[in-house]
Amino acid sequence: QITLKESGPTLVEPTQTLTLTCTFSGFSISTSGVGVGWIRQPPGKALEWLALIYWDDDKRYSSSLKSRLTITKDTSKNQVVLTLTNIDPVDTATYYCAYSPSGTGGASDIWGQGTLVTVSS
Amino acid sequence: DIVVNQSPDSLAVSLGERATINCKSSQSVLYSSNNKDYLAWYQQKPGQPPKLLIYWASTRESGVPDRFSGSGSETDFTLTISSLQAEDVAVYYCQQYYSTPWTFGQGTRVEIK
Repeated sequence: QITLKESGPTLVEPTQTLTLTCTFSGFSISTSGVGVGWIRQPPGKALEWLALIYWDDDKRYSSSLKSRLTITKDTSKNQVVLTLTNIDPVDTATYYCAYSPSGTGGASDIWGQGTLVTVSS
Repeated sequence: DIVVNQSPDSLAVSLGERATINCKSSQSVLYSSNNKDYLAWYQQKPGQPPKLLIYWASTRESGVPDRFSGSGSETDFTLTISSLQAEDVAVYYCQQYYSTPWTFGQGTRVEIK
């Protein structure tokens, strides 16, 4: 059974750096074709794709947030980490991590429950 | 970036009736080497993460009821719920994963009339 769980701070002050961790089980991110991505959703708004890391360490980012985002993986810990620098109240959102297997061509078929991050001073 | 637009923004359908949601991408998401459209549909209920319903435009995810179907190719796609059930009340999103950055539509809210 594949599961993912997001963790990180619930409240962050503006200008700080947000670090979120996705801890997963049931698959290896070293498996060919596998990717783990991050998606966020501001309260009452639509989904926004942020970043993706593949089994071979290929990394892809949102065009609008590319300069502020970094995604990394720790294969030994079964974790994927997302950092977002210079955070702003508009970054308030529920942040999800999701598993993208090769079998779907990359569509995310397992999601974590999400973690709500509020940006406020 | 590929822009994905959904229509309508919301719709109300009677129980047992058909619901149709459209999705249009700003460029083709058909990968010629395997003839697959890299377009997915997700369902999101309040307080829950999105759930994958359809991938490759028309392949139903395991466990998804067969009243959900996806169709279309290249730039124009449709999600159809053939007979709306009460548990289908949700927001539905399409997503292209043909090229990064992957992008979502703005969502369509489906309610009971």
